[in-house]
Amino acid sequence: AQKVTQAQTEISVVEKEDVTLDCVYETRDTTYYLFWYKQPPSGELVFLIRRNSFDEQNEISGRYSWNFQKSTSSFNFTITASQVVDSAVYFCALGRGSTLGRLYFGRGTQLTVWP
Amino acid sequence: DTEVTQTPKHLVMGMTNKKSLKCEQHMGHRAMYWYKQKAKKPPELMFVYSYEKLSINESVPSRFSPECPNSSLLNLHLHALQPEDSALYLCASSQDDTHYNSPLHFGNGTRLTVT
Repeated sequence: AQKVTQAQTEISVVEKEDVTLDCVYETRDTTYYLFWYKQPPSGELVFLIRRNSFDEQNEISGRYSWNFQKSTSSFNFTITASQVVDSAVYFCALGRGSTLGRLYFGRGTQLTVWP
Repeated sequence: DTEVTQTPKHLVMGMTNKKSLKCEQHMGHRAMYWYKQKAKKPPELMFVYSYEKLSINESVPSRFSPECPNSSLLNLHLHALQPEDSALYLCASSQDDTHYNSPLHFGNGTRLTVT
């Protein structure tokens, strides 16, 4: 069975603080894909990053960075120097190597960044 | 701006009404999806179309009827809905079914209220 756990339901930080959103996944597949999406109040899910199971390189994109560790089945997301515009719900999701479109989402983490 | 356009943004309908949700993309994607999202929950997959053919129906009640007239358009016809069907309905698209890791691009969603 596929499962994604985002243990943090809500996180509040003050602007310029660093914040890490945790994601732990379960799958028996050897080929799988991990995603992070951002959902601002407008409702649109914005794609942030994709990682496949064979690529454990960490990635940095501006203030965003991702730490993928297969040994702990985790795919954590860090925002450095957070800004008010980062306030949103963030979803971690798992995609199987053989099934198009069926993403297994975590329940999401509501991030609030205060000025 | 999102590259997947959904109309209307908001819809209120009675349980005896018939209405349709519309989705359009011009990215040349050949896979399109309907997701349903209840408040404070992750999105749940409803339907997947691949090359204009229905490939996945996640046991959705027949009061929801999808239609894919062409590769750019996706409709969701609604009839005899229940109040518990009130939710945000998200349309998404991705490259095609030979790229299982292709990220989904989501629209802003239609916020549906059934009275």
